[in-house]
Amino acid sequence: EADIYQTPRYLVIGTGKKITLECSQTMGHDKMYWYQQDPGMELHLIHYSYGVNSTEKGDLSSESTVSRIRTEHFPLTLESARPSHTSQYLCASSGVLTEAFFGQGTRLTVV
Amino acid sequence: KNQVEQSPQSLIILEGKNCTLQCNYTVSPFSNLRWYKQDTGRGPVSLTIMTFSENTKSNGRYTATLDADTKQSSLHITASQLSDSASYICVVSAVGGSYIPTFGRGTSLIVHP
Repeated sequence: EADIYQTPRYLVIGTGKKITLECSQTMGHDKMYWYQQDPGMELHLIHYSYGVNSTEKGDLSSESTVSRIRTEHFPLTLESARPSHTSQYLCASSGVLTEAFFGQGTRLTVV
Repeated sequence: KNQVEQSPQSLIILEGKNCTLQCNYTVSPFSNLRWYKQDTGRGPVSLTIMTFSENTKSNGRYTATLDADTKQSSLHITASQLSDSASYICVVSAVGGSYIPTFGRGTSLIVHP
């Protein structure tokens, strides 16, 4: 069982609201990732981090932002949610030479 | 550009039958290849991981093969069960601590009773 947790699992929110999706891991992994995935579609990397104070944008452009103040914590923030942000957001982490472990995901719906 | 191509895109089989999913990659220099299973609405879970020197690895009814020369991998599922219905994702990593894994688009498998 992987020790990576995402909250909330489901979120329905109105347009224009600010939201933060939480992701925490207790494995001491340096690398953490955020992926966006629409139903039935592939995962798209939107943010990643090599370690504390490191954040990079992924392949898919996203209006979200991330921070990495602590090794175990990698929250994702949307300053003003829009219906186009409706999707599933998956957080993952990996150590040196190890596989990526995924959280259960946050399914976001913006109405 | 590093790429991972999976085929078929989707597959429907009857319970109890075997199937094989394919993964071709151009990631270089190769470090490892992993197969993940993703149930609907859940995060991916690792099935197997293989390095350059490994040709085959099994995990229960799942057997992955790797041909590093042709840059191909396959995932064989034996005696399929309804619970095997999921998306199967091939992920390839290159050598280097800063490298981000490359994900395939996945194969959607549906097992019918």
